[in-house]
Amino acid sequence: QSVVTQPPSVSEVPGQRVTISCHGRDSNIGNNGVAWYQQLPGKAPKVLIYSDDLVPSGVADRFSGSKSGTSASLAISGLQSEDEADYYCAVWDDTLNGRVFGGGTKLTVL
Amino acid sequence: EVQLVESGGGLVQPGGSLTLSCEVSGFRMSDYSMNWVRQAPGRGLEWLAYINSDTSTMFFAQSVRGRLSISRDNAKNSLFLQMNSLTAGDTAVYYCARDGGNFNDAFFDLWGQGTLVTVSS
Repeated sequence: QSVVTQPPSVSEVPGQRVTISCHGRDSNIGNNGVAWYQQLPGKAPKVLIYSDDLVPSGVADRFSGSKSGTSASLAISGLQSEDEADYYCAVWDDTLNGRVFGGGTKLTVL
Repeated sequence: EVQLVESGGGLVQPGGSLTLSCEVSGFRMSDYSMNWVRQAPGRGLEWLAYINSDTSTMFFAQSVRGRLSISRDNAKNSLFLQMNSLTAGDTAVYYCARDGGNFNDAFFDLWGQGTLVTVSS
């Protein structure tokens, strides 16, 4: 059981907007930047968001991140079938003195 | 081409040891901190270890502390992960990942394709 929790799954229809949550503690999300990763089936993860809400170059602007207190969210707008993947949040934890990943959320595009 | 290529995975017996390598190309490895991350079959991502650019700072996940060591050879553009006392629970795809920011940012901006380690008798 990770110290950072995500819903196991979310689903939405193409064209709509979906959000994935990531809940933590003061020692991690509450005090450090959150990153989000997309992992397509059989592929290595790819960063979508870092430092809570910054988008790396090359990542579509349909992806956005936000944070409030000890929770963070990834939003994907204009859902496409190719967005179907596993999504992970990641953050440094001051108590564990290391990085931690959320358990991951499987996004199904209906 | 900017890339990371892991190697050294394979079948190892319980209790055994293994050293994984990650060869860097397309950028100067000495400019970056590096990490190892693993993923057990059908499971989520698990960060394992971090090493900064000059090897003065290392961090390890609590779950593997004491059994893993991380090292690097900047001159050879290579990152290493040595694992000891392996159990079936260490069966996973092991990824090396480049650090894209500060150590407290969990920002991995470049990943390798992974190498599979299977621990079984």
